[in-house]
Amino acid sequence: DSGVTQTPKHLITATGQRVTLRCSPRSGDLSVYWYQQSLDQGLQFLIQYYNGEERAKGNILERFSAQQFPDLHSELNLSSLELGDSALYFCASSVAPGRTGELFFGEGSRLTVL
Amino acid sequence: AQKITQTQPGMFVQEKEAVTLDCTYDTSDQSYGLFWYKQPSSGEMIFLIYQGSYDEQNATEGRYSLNFQKARKSANLVISASQLGDSAMYFCAMRGVLISSGSARQLTFGSGTQLTVLP
Repeated sequence: DSGVTQTPKHLITATGQRVTLRCSPRSGDLSVYWYQQSLDQGLQFLIQYYNGEERAKGNILERFSAQQFPDLHSELNLSSLELGDSALYFCASSVAPGRTGELFFGEGSRLTVL
Repeated sequence: AQKITQTQPGMFVQEKEAVTLDCTYDTSDQSYGLFWYKQPSSGEMIFLIYQGSYDEQNATEGRYSLNFQKARKSANLVISASQLGDSAMYFCAMRGVLISSGSARQLTFGSGTQLTVLP
């Protein structure tokens, strides 16, 4: 158990819909990262937050948005869903931004868009 | 920019034998960390081992060791005494430190190697 909690574990929805994925980082971790894993593109970094502020952006679509709340949990919002958005979405957390230590991953949220 | 290359899409190894999974990297960062993660069929990402760019000794964690050759920019994972439970996808990854801000970058992953351990 990494200590990172993601909900829901599985989600099935239709094209055009909107979903919200939630992540609670490990206790004490201030940085949260979102990754998308799809068969054709591998593990892609989406976005990073540190203590409530956006720190880095990767290959995140405009239809996607995220935020980190004062209690440090984070949400990833996916809207106008397309078939190609079907993927495993991971949240990860780490202690501090200046250290190159490992990221601890949640079990992922598997999104299926029909 | 950072790049991780894993040239072995799939590997087979006999149970109880050792196997080496290859990883090369490219970065302009002076300080960075190298990682290996395991992803079994259930999907979760399990951290295995870490090597800092300034660590003088190769990292070891139980049956896992990291063969770090800085000049060659390689960070191969060696699994000794393979077990059936080692069958999984293995990802090499790295994080650098931005000199300008002192902040660590996000983790950049390679494409992975699917390891199958044969009984």
